[in-house]
Amino acid sequence: AQSVSQHNHHVILSEAASLELGCNYSYGGTVNLFWYVQYPGQHLQLLLKYFSGDPLVKGIKGFEAEFIKSKFSFNLRKPSVQWSDTAEYFCAVTTNFGNEKLTFGTGTRLTIIP
Amino acid sequence: GAGVSQTPSNKVTEKGKYVELRCDPISGHTALYWYRQSLGQGPEFLIYFQGTGAADDSGLPNDRFFAVRPEGSVSTLKIQRTERGDSAVYLCASSPGTSGGDLHDTQYFGPGTRLTVL
Repeated sequence: AQSVSQHNHHVILSEAASLELGCNYSYGGTVNLFWYVQYPGQHLQLLLKYFSGDPLVKGIKGFEAEFIKSKFSFNLRKPSVQWSDTAEYFCAVTTNFGNEKLTFGTGTRLTIIP
Repeated sequence: GAGVSQTPSNKVTEKGKYVELRCDPISGHTALYWYRQSLGQGPEFLIYFQGTGAADDSGLPNDRFFAVRPEGSVSTLKIQRTERGDSAVYLCASSPGTSGGDLHDTQYFGPGTRLTVL
């Protein structure tokens, strides 16, 4: 079975700092990769997704992620964070056509200091 | 348009009681998923419906958990003889359900139901 690891449990940054959140998965076959975000008091929302093609994926709010197949990684990046990026970030993977059940990592809590 | 809605938003019950949690998916979405999120963890898959049938219930932890979707729209997650370990946020998600080939569906999540078993 597939699994997802997010090694950064809590990240604290100042505004305008650059961000990189790690995500590694374990699965030998084809994967589809996602980053979801949960802002305080809100429900999970999709930030970006990778299915195929260009391994550098751009999402909403200036976020991007790069799929590196050889490293089984899908790290999330943003060049300059804002206070409004304070949230919980979840990496997730699906492996099957016809059943897109998501396997999530444990999440990374991001706190941006104004 | 309206997103996924879940009721109730909070449910407090006593150990041993029966509870029902409801999910209203986005109109027209044929795929519906239930997840459970415990404190400090990511959501964990419970069950997946394609239309009225449960296509994959491999994530249900035991036979106290059951879910239905009789008309292919609203779904109810039912938990019998609740235990304190069932306390979590139960999330529902829906997607258009046109999976396969080059098309993969985004899952849209509801706000969740926070279940507390005393």
